[in-house]
Amino acid sequence: LAKTTQPISMDSYEGQEVNITCSHNNIATNDYITWYQQFPSQGPRFIIQGYKTKVTNEVASLFIPADRKSSTLSLPRVSLSDTAVYYCLVGDRGSTLGRLYFGRGTQLTVWP
Amino acid sequence: DAMVIQNPRYQVTQFGKPVTLSCSQTLNHNVMYWYQQKSSQAPKLLFHYYDKDFNNEADTPDNFQSRRPNTSFCFLDIRSPGLGDAAMYLCATSRDSSGRFNEQFFGPGTRLTVL
Repeated sequence: LAKTTQPISMDSYEGQEVNITCSHNNIATNDYITWYQQFPSQGPRFIIQGYKTKVTNEVASLFIPADRKSSTLSLPRVSLSDTAVYYCLVGDRGSTLGRLYFGRGTQLTVWP
Repeated sequence: DAMVIQNPRYQVTQFGKPVTLSCSQTLNHNVMYWYQQKSSQAPKLLFHYYDKDFNNEADTPDNFQSRRPNTSFCFLDIRSPGLGDAAMYLCATSRDSSGRFNEQFFGPGTRLTVL
């Protein structure tokens, strides 16, 4: 499984766009990139998943360059309620049989 | 609403006294997972069931066992809890274990305290 590296923490202010970058230099051809969000005392929640280029949903965008060695989660106009830990995961959904191996995650703190 | 339910939310047990944590789901998903999350750490996968097939992670201690009597329920048994087993235990489900989309849905967790 490809190892991921993320910043341990990030700070932002309400209304700003936040970009969290994840490095996965050893990503394999069949690997997908998935991001989860976790609030204190709650289980993680799926945010977005992608393979290449750009994916957008109602809460975030995921940018993946052509070499796929990194990815960037973009949160538009964050609010206080976006304060959470964000995990980047990389894995082959076929071979890993659904297993999720979490890295250290990025603690995002949004200030008023 | 379809969801993943964990009971109890908080569990206190004594050192060495067996404890069982429960998880139920109304999503009718094939796969159920158990994770252990210690304070300020990432969730760590313990094992999962694909339907009735049990899949243990290589580094999961023998002290941890699991049962899945039917599609909806899954239990985590800790046979002899030690102080190091104090953690949040998360249950998750997914529709399938592979394929194009295997999003996992997590329950709120059970926080286990070992005295």
